[in-house]
Amino acid sequence: SQQGEEDPQALSIQEGENATMNCSYKTSINNLQWYRQNSGRGLVHLILIRSNEREKHSGRLRVTLDTSKKSSSLLITASRAADTASYFCATAPSNTGKLIFGQGTTLQVKP
Amino acid sequence: DSGVTQTPKHLITATGQRVTLRCSPRSGDLSVYWYQQSLDQGLQFLIQYYNGEERAKGNILERFSAQQFPDLHSELNLSSLELGDSALYFCASSVGTGVSEAFFGQGTRLTVV
Repeated sequence: SQQGEEDPQALSIQEGENATMNCSYKTSINNLQWYRQNSGRGLVHLILIRSNEREKHSGRLRVTLDTSKKSSSLLITASRAADTASYFCATAPSNTGKLIFGQGTTLQVKP
Repeated sequence: DSGVTQTPKHLITATGQRVTLRCSPRSGDLSVYWYQQSLDQGLQFLIQYYNGEERAKGNILERFSAQQFPDLHSELNLSSLELGDSALYFCASSVGTGVSEAFFGQGTRLTVV
């Protein structure tokens, strides 16, 4: 079964607005990562946050991690049409070599 | 370009057949991961190899097998194919054994008819 569950499954916003996606997971982790996938293409790594970190920024991306709630959020600020894609959280459970993906959030940014 | 190369890009084959998917990892990466992506199951982790040895196993069917060769390229063999095996198969690579940033190939789209 999937480690992570993402919310919402789909999100539609206007260009310039912020987009927030949430991810919940089940087991203890070493780190949590966010990836982007354009339709039918490979996944691109966006950001990694370690289990001892609470917040991380990269450009227009802001990721938070709450290990007590086993949840994370990805905020994309000032969205652009080019941000239209599916976004996946992926967890690296402790003591395994696996990277487990959630079901993803499909983001549509309207110009 | 992630630096991970997968071939072929598309594959159409009949039920019962066997196919081999190939992956060349990013230069310097020792870990290779295989994932299956389908509409109903999402992204499923299949297997990980590190420097030629199996490191972690996921939801990989017995009809599927993989290996990593001394030059670090990897192959995923799918046999006795069923319609339900139709999916996108991704290979990813990373530097070490621990799970850090993974670089994904563009995938092989397998269609079983």
